[in-house]
Amino acid sequence: KNEVEQSPQNLTAQEGEFITINCSYSVGISALHWLQQHPGGGIVSLFMLSSGKKKHGRLIATINIQEKHSSLHITASHPRDSAVYICAVKETSGSRLTFGEGTQLTVNP
Amino acid sequence: GAVVSQHPSWVICKSGTSVKIECRSLDFQATTMFWYRQFPKQSLMLMATSNEGSKATYEQGVEKDKFLINHASLTLSTLTVTSAHPEDSSFYICSAIRGARWETQYFGPGTRLLVL
Repeated sequence: KNEVEQSPQNLTAQEGEFITINCSYSVGISALHWLQQHPGGGIVSLFMLSSGKKKHGRLIATINIQEKHSSLHITASHPRDSAVYICAVKETSGSRLTFGEGTQLTVNP
Repeated sequence: GAVVSQHPSWVICKSGTSVKIECRSLDFQATTMFWYRQFPKQSLMLMATSNEGSKATYEQGVEKDKFLINHASLTLSTLTVTSAHPEDSSFYICSAIRGARWETQYFGPGTRLLVL
């Protein structure tokens, strides 16, 4: 069992739909990252959370430390949101990140 | 925001040659940088942790003599793939920690290596 699990693995949506990607983890963490990777490969850090909720534009990220679960929401999805979304956690001890396998999102016009 | 650059963005080389990839933190000092490798359809795999002024710490299964890491300054870490072979073809990504903020990592855009 992976320490970080994402669901779904693949997600196809129509433009305008509300999207949710989930991340569950099994270790104690000090922070959780949501990353976006476009087809060209470059990675953009979307959020870094240690508690509560953050919002940036159409993106919202929440984390429940007790339940060891985080969600990434995209409102009014757009084809340019098509990318792989990766959840990564920084364990309480050490400096390394542990990555989920990613969620491939495709938003069709 | 903090910016991390990588150079080159892509490289094609012949089998047996060595390739150097640079990772720079452009507007902050990074005492710690990480090197990752990503194969198609897979997630990032940590190769090594690079600490300024000291030897890198390699993950299990990563050959330190094949993947040479040098972190000679607070803004530059290099990864040299020595005697590259086709199986080394991959996407290499670095990230940098800003100061002592271990929770915050800034990622470079990646370097795509193709070994013929």
